[in-house]
Amino acid sequence: GNSVTQMEGPVTLSEEAFLTINCTYTATGYPSLFWYVQYPGEGLQLLLKATKADDKGSNKGFEATYRKETTSFHLEKGSVQVSDSAVYFCALPLNQAGTALIFGKGTTLSVSS
Amino acid sequence: EAGVAQSPRYKIIEKRQSVAFWCNPISGHATLYWYQQILGQGPKLLIQFQNNGVVDDSQLPKDRFSAERLKGVDSTLKIQPAKLEDSAVYLCASSTVRGRNTEAFFGQGTRLTVV
Repeated sequence: GNSVTQMEGPVTLSEEAFLTINCTYTATGYPSLFWYVQYPGEGLQLLLKATKADDKGSNKGFEATYRKETTSFHLEKGSVQVSDSAVYFCALPLNQAGTALIFGKGTTLSVSS
Repeated sequence: EAGVAQSPRYKIIEKRQSVAFWCNPISGHATLYWYQQILGQGPKLLIQFQNNGVVDDSQLPKDRFSAERLKGVDSTLKIQPAKLEDSAVYLCASSTVRGRNTEAFFGQGTRLTVV
């Protein structure tokens, strides 16, 4: 099956700082790639996704580019806000045939004002 | 649109006891997933249903865990008997149809503590 490795945290930043959370994967074929976010006290929700090589997913100022050559899908944001404090998970399908996901261990981001 | 509903939100039991969790997916979602999230880790798939049939239960510890989705809507996940290492958040998710780009919607989870 597929696997994912995600940068471990916690990551502590000041407001307006630049954010990068690294994610690399191994997979059969060219799976869709996802970033999910879990805000305090809330359920997991999809942040962004990319479905093919060189696609860029974006949402709420976050971006991630599907890099086939480096098997990476790093999450970036140019200027983080306090409200971005959450746990971020990189994910992809467990295997080529299915839709269930395998998740990274998660990266906790804390942003202070 | 109502989200994925789970109950209870929290449960504390002693080891060797049994426990059940309930999930009501988003209306019309044919696919339902149960994930286990141990503290400090990402969610791990336990079982996937398509309507009321099992698609993948390869990671479900079948000696103690069971799940069903009668009538293809609500689902229950049961643990009997529970072990200390079962302490985790149990997440239910649902999605529309099977497809590589399908977004899964997650409930808030049930936090289980086994003492």
